[in-house]
Amino acid sequence: GDSVTQMEGPVTLSEEAFLTINCTYTATGYPSLFWYVQYPGEGLQLLLKATKADDKGSNKGFEATYRKETTSFHLEKGSVQVSDSAVYFCALSHWGGAQKLVFGQGTRLTINP
Amino acid sequence: NAGVMQNPRHLVRRRGQEARLRCSPMKGHSHVYWYRQLPEEGLKFMVYLQKENIIDESGMPKERFSAEFPKEGPSILRIQQVVRGDSAAYFCASSPDTTLTYEQYFGPGTRLTVT
Repeated sequence: GDSVTQMEGPVTLSEEAFLTINCTYTATGYPSLFWYVQYPGEGLQLLLKATKADDKGSNKGFEATYRKETTSFHLEKGSVQVSDSAVYFCALSHWGGAQKLVFGQGTRLTINP
Repeated sequence: NAGVMQNPRHLVRRRGQEARLRCSPMKGHSHVYWYRQLPEEGLKFMVYLQKENIIDESGMPKERFSAEFPKEGPSILRIQQVVRGDSAAYFCASSPDTTLTYEQYFGPGTRLTVT
């Protein structure tokens, strides 16, 4: 079955550092890929998405590129802020029908001032 | 436009009791998903419903768990005879016509504690 693997956390960085959170997937066909963010005590918010190979999703300074050859969708940001502290989830789904999301285990990110 | 609403936000039940979790989707959304998040784990799909229909329940435990999304009112996730292993955060998500968009909008979750 489909699965998503994220780099283990927690990740702690200083403000303005460069961020990479690795995500790889196993899936049949051509899934769509997502990054969700969860702030403390809240539900998940869609951060960015990519629906086909070589697409780049971007939002709020975060970027991720859909790499079919390496089955990866790594999240990057050039300069993190304290407000980026949250848990980040990589996920996939298949277009059409029941679009259930398959999530990775999440990576907790803490940014220190 | 109000977001996805879930209540209660926190629920404490003793072993053997029933837990009812409610989810009101965003206005205009007719598709509802339930996910469970165990401590320090990612979210796991449980069930996908449209109004009055269960479309995919492949992630639901075979016993004690049920879900409905009636024509009127919120979607309900029901857990009978709860056990300690049911302690988790339960998230509901909704979406409009799934042929038009990928995005699922998540509620704040219900944190169930079984004592």
